[in-house]
Amino acid sequence: AQKITQTQPGMFVQEKEAVTLDCTYDTSDPSYGLFWYKQPSSGEMIFLIYQGSYDQQNATEGRYSLNFQKARKSANLVISASQLGDSAMYFCAMRDINTGNQFYFGTGTSLTVIP
Amino acid sequence: NAGVTQTPKFRVLKTGQSMTLLCAQDMNHEYMYWYRQDPGMGLRLIHYSVGEGTTAKGEVPDGYNVSRLKKQNFLLGLESAAPSQTSVYFCASSFFPGTALSYNEQFFGPGTRLTVL
Repeated sequence: AQKITQTQPGMFVQEKEAVTLDCTYDTSDPSYGLFWYKQPSSGEMIFLIYQGSYDQQNATEGRYSLNFQKARKSANLVISASQLGDSAMYFCAMRDINTGNQFYFGTGTSLTVIP
Repeated sequence: NAGVTQTPKFRVLKTGQSMTLLCAQDMNHEYMYWYRQDPGMGLRLIHYSVGEGTTAKGEVPDGYNVSRLKKQNFLLGLESAAPSQTSVYFCASSFFPGTALSYNEQFFGPGTRLTVL
């Protein structure tokens, strides 16, 4: 069963606008961590933001915020004030804490920022 | 701190050849992972290790073997390479899981681009 689902293969956003990248997850572990990574065309995996399942507030890191809706099992990434350098692949991932041997990744969303 | 390093960065093999990819980390992480990345499929786990001397299968282990003789190194071997193993291979490492980011963050190497002809 798919643990992480990203339903948007590709997204476009106008420069300086905000964009939301969707991610839903599936786990029965009450304790888990959710991650977003950015992969630019150069190929490296860049950690963006983390949300723990017990965190009361949505995580924020600069222009990145995570819209965490626990009951809906969604962890959408919001990028505000998009920049041309935000054009990249974005991956959502999850780690179950109690059975935390593995990380599960979605298939990614390709974001293109239009000038 | 070098973080996670991978050797080599690029490699071209002929079908049937063997090779070993080396991953090294200097962060004293217990967990290490090997992934492959193919277009449209995200990252898929090949094998992982939860400590020195241990290994376990991931989602796509067939055709690969691994060894973790030292805590800082995790080797991925292809005994008889096939064109289907053409991919980008990423190594990663992390601490034992906990609730805080510092326990869970996974650090990635730069990747190895492997082509099997």
